[in-house]
Amino acid sequence: EDQVTQSPEALRLQEGESSSLNCSYTVSGLRGLFWYRQDPGKGPEFLFTLYSAGEEKEKERLKATLTKKESFLHITAPKPEDSATYLCAASLDNYGQNFVFGPGTRLSVLP
Amino acid sequence: NAGVTQTPKFRILKIGQSMTLQCTQDMNHNYMYWYRQDPGMGLKLIYYSVGAGITDKGEVPNGYNVSRSTTEDFPLRLELAAPSQTSVYFCASSRLSSGNTIYFGEGSWLTVV
Repeated sequence: EDQVTQSPEALRLQEGESSSLNCSYTVSGLRGLFWYRQDPGKGPEFLFTLYSAGEEKEKERLKATLTKKESFLHITAPKPEDSATYLCAASLDNYGQNFVFGPGTRLSVLP
Repeated sequence: NAGVTQTPKFRILKIGQSMTLQCTQDMNHNYMYWYRQDPGMGLKLIYYSVGAGITDKGEVPNGYNVSRSTTEDFPLRLELAAPSQTSVYFCASSRLSSGNTIYFGEGSWLTVV
């Protein structure tokens, strides 16, 4: 069964305290690994897509990396405005039903 | 920059009532999706459509129906609402299926009492 898990479930950081979020996937036919940010009361907002092991993408304080079994979202020197839930999703090689989402990591960055 | 637009934002239904969640996108995307999101769970696919006139069931379709008469619109119908349908519903779209970015609406919060 295709599955995506995320850890930790919740993470509290002090402003400036760097850390990483984990997304582990067990899927067949991975076509892409997506990271989304979701603010309370909002829809998920696209951050990154990674297509192959070894690939890295960066945006401001965020860097996403991909291996054959997992992806990491590294947050460097976070600010309170980085507080959100971060979702990862595996895009599969299946017609139509092509995304499997993880449950998310709730990140809180305290000033 | 409308993207994916959902209405209503909030709704309270009584058990047994029916309603339609509206969704429209202005990006000329072929694929459209309806997901539900429950606390602590990943987004679950309800129904999807690969183009006008074509729809198919996702992981959790029971109690819902959809139609896709145009490229832009993909309404979700809840028949005989049940408390188990209390959730947040997201409409989404993508240009193609595998490997392409999926864009979400702002969500519709539904409570069935």
